[in-house]
Amino acid sequence: KQEVTQIPAALSVPEGENLVLNCSFTDSAIYNLQWFRQDPGKGLTSLLLIQSSQREQTSGRLNASLDKSSGRSTLYIAASQPGDSATYLCAFMFSGGYNKLIFGAGTRLAVHP
Amino acid sequence: DAGVIQSPRHEVTEMGQEVTLRCKPISGHNSLFWYRQTMMRGLELLIYFNNNVPIDDSGMPEDRFSAKMPNASFSTLKIQPSEPRDSAVYFCASSAKRGLSGYTFGSGTRLTVV
Repeated sequence: KQEVTQIPAALSVPEGENLVLNCSFTDSAIYNLQWFRQDPGKGLTSLLLIQSSQREQTSGRLNASLDKSSGRSTLYIAASQPGDSATYLCAFMFSGGYNKLIFGAGTRLAVHP
Repeated sequence: DAGVIQSPRHEVTEMGQEVTLRCKPISGHNSLFWYRQTMMRGLELLIYFNNNVPIDDSGMPEDRFSAKMPNASFSTLKIQPSEPRDSAVYFCASSAKRGLSGYTFGSGTRLTVV
């Protein structure tokens, strides 16, 4: 069974800290992975997409990496700000099927001033 | 592009009533997905379509749920009869080219069954 695990489930940090959110998966036959952000009561906003042939993607203060051999992905947030407070979800599309995206449970991040 | 459009944004209905949720995917996307999100279970894939054809509906909780995609620009998720435990946020998402561009989600429909 394909499973995605996110650690930690929740994180509270002071403004300015650099953060690492972790995501692990059980099936190495990855097609791509996507990191999303969800604000309370809102939909999902795509942050970064990494194809299986890539190792990382960067957008502003965000950097996502993919290590298929270890079954892990990390989302790095530099110089965190209160506006980064949200739930971050990783999701994988696995090879061998159609475009089925499997989500982790998310990491709830709070950045306080 | 207006993105994935879902309607209604909020729906409150009485137990036993029929509920229909609607989704318009991004033009040119050939895959469409319905997800349900609750605090207890997180995001669950209910069903997905590829080129308007249902591919996997194993996530549909029971026969009270049904989904259709009559054409490439419209899909519905119907619950009949609705029950309080169906209360959740229902998301529609679409993707193109086997996910090469990733998924785009709609804003969701918050369903409350009383």
